[in-house]
Amino acid sequence: AQKVTQAQTEISVVEKEDVTLDCVYETRDTTYYLFWYKQPPSGELVFLIRRNSFDEQNEISGRYSWNFQKSTSSFNFTITASQVVDSAVYFCALSTTTSGTYKYIFGTGTRLKVLA
Amino acid sequence: GAVVSQHPSRVICKSGTSVKIECRSLDFQATTMFWYRQFPKQSLMLMATSNEGSKATYEQGVEKDKFLINHASLTLSTLTVTSAHPEDSSFYICSARDPLRGHSYEQYFGPGTRLTVT
Repeated sequence: AQKVTQAQTEISVVEKEDVTLDCVYETRDTTYYLFWYKQPPSGELVFLIRRNSFDEQNEISGRYSWNFQKSTSSFNFTITASQVVDSAVYFCALSTTTSGTYKYIFGTGTRLKVLA
Repeated sequence: GAVVSQHPSRVICKSGTSVKIECRSLDFQATTMFWYRQFPKQSLMLMATSNEGSKATYEQGVEKDKFLINHASLTLSTLTVTSAHPEDSSFYICSARDPLRGHSYEQYFGPGTRLTVT
């Protein structure tokens, strides 16, 4: 079965704090992609990162960084020096070719509130 | 590149009427499009997968006769909510795959349509 778990429903931090959003996935496929999306109050999903199952290199993009560990089936997202504009719901998603489709399985999302 | 639009962005309709939502891929041809529904403070729930020129594949529990999906061209898919009721009020998001891009697993999302049924 394919599954994505985001155990943190809501996180509140004070501006400039670092925050890590957890994502744990389950799949039996050997080839898959993992994604992170940001959903601000407007509702539009903003793509943040894509990672394939064969690339375990961590990635840093400005204040954002991602830690992909196949051994623990986790793909965690860290925001360094958080800002109020980071307040949003963040979704982790898994995509595989099970059943010949490229469906996304979304986690339940983590609502991040950054307080000034 | 890989821009997906939705129209309308917001719609209010009366109970019992039907409403159509359009999803367009603006700069690529999308052989596969997906329709999601999102209730307030919840995750995205996949409703159906539509492939150009064939019938949509609906997820378990989604009423085919209520949510009609048509993918008549490589750049347009439509979702028609028939005989809408207040419980159909939700945020509907479409996405599309571009099979010609290197990352074929990736979906490109539209901005969403907020449907309110009164």
